[in-house]
Amino acid sequence: SQQGEEDPQALSIQEGENATMNCSYKTSINNLQWYRQNSGRGLVHLILIRSNEREKHSGRLRVTLDTSKKSSSLLITASRAADTASYFCATGSGYSTLTFGKGTMLLVSP
Amino acid sequence: ETGVTQTPRHLVMGMTNKKSLKCEQHLGHNAMYWYKQSAKKPLELMFVYSLEERVENNSVPSRFSPECPNSSHLFLHLHTLQPEDSALYLCASSQEWEGSIQYFGAGTRLSVL
Repeated sequence: SQQGEEDPQALSIQEGENATMNCSYKTSINNLQWYRQNSGRGLVHLILIRSNEREKHSGRLRVTLDTSKKSSSLLITASRAADTASYFCATGSGYSTLTFGKGTMLLVSP
Repeated sequence: ETGVTQTPRHLVMGMTNKKSLKCEQHLGHNAMYWYKQSAKKPLELMFVYSLEERVENNSVPSRFSPECPNSSHLFLHLHTLQPEDSALYLCASSQEWEGSIQYFGAGTRLSVL
């Protein structure tokens, strides 16, 4: 299975701090994606990084990908209470659907 | 608004009822998905359709029956469900089914009594 596994399972920080979440996977991929889910709602796509890319930015989000270690990290800078959500990584290949990890629950306290 | 609409948002049904969940996408995508999300469990892929053909069926009990009449609509027909089927059911769509970005609906919260 190429299922992503996020680490940590839960993260609690104060507003203004940075939050880092990690994702590890098992097989070769074409891309890795990060999604966010607010409680009881659908997932929302945040960012996609291709297997030949090492780093990507989008606003306060920074994603890195290390294919040699089969791992990725999502950094949220200057976090806000509104960033409180679950964050999932998902791995994509050219021959199957996305495979989602179990997610990291992020709590940002005011 | 993601362009994927699910109805109903909430559903309570008895174990002998028959109900259907509906999903509609307005994004012109070719693939549609049903996921089940239970508390404290990973997201479970149930069914994948590409151009109205089922491409994946991950050992889902027969009490769940999908239907994809066209590339914009996806249904999940439910009958004789069990209490453990209570969960959030999410629909998603994507341009292609192999590794594309997926756009999710808001989900149907299902409670089976």
